[in-house]
Amino acid sequence: DVKVTQSSRYLVKRTGEKVFLECVQDMDHENMFWYRQDPGLGLRLIYFSYDVKMKEKGDIPEGYSVSREKKERFSLILESASTNQTSMYLCASSTLAGGLYNEQFFGPGTRLTVL
Amino acid sequence: AQKVTQAQTEISVVEKEDVTLDCVYETRDTTYYLFWYKQPPSGELVFLIRRNSFDEQNEISGRYSWNFQKSTSSFNFTITASQVVDSAVYFCALNDYKLSFGAGTTVTVRA
Repeated sequence: DVKVTQSSRYLVKRTGEKVFLECVQDMDHENMFWYRQDPGLGLRLIYFSYDVKMKEKGDIPEGYSVSREKKERFSLILESASTNQTSMYLCASSTLAGGLYNEQFFGPGTRLTVL
Repeated sequence: AQKVTQAQTEISVVEKEDVTLDCVYETRDTTYYLFWYKQPPSGELVFLIRRNSFDEQNEISGRYSWNFQKSTSSFNFTITASQVVDSAVYFCALNDYKLSFGAGTTVTVRA
């Protein structure tokens, strides 16, 4: 079974802090994704990566950056956390084999609160 | 413009009732995939089904069934004889390059 793990289930940070959210997958997937989930808005794509050291902006990249130094690890960085970044953050991965349309496998999520 | 619309925000049913979740999508591509995911209270999204744009056959998996109609750009999901364990948020998603999610429908099944 695909396993996607996220470093924390719950995180509380203060405004202005630098925040790192870590995601690790163990199925050698090429693609990795970061979403945020807010009530009434579903999941919105922040960034994704098709390969090591590659990244592409999703629909709402402002205020975020990412890092992918190893294939299995994809980090989301909030350079200076703000209260409007309080949300549930979900990491996902998928294989590239067969094209871009494969199902994504999700981690359990990190609920971030910025005070 | 929203690519995936799930008009029903919340649905509440009594156990053993059937429940149908609506999903309408929008895309200009001819090749795309549609998905349904389930998010139980534990929070982790679980993949349920993937359907490509060239395959309009309906699908049944146990108590779950899906109706894909290209003519109306809809991909509806029915749970037959619902159970309390079906209580979750269900998301419809469209992948025409990137995965776009609907806002989700919260299903509550009461015993």
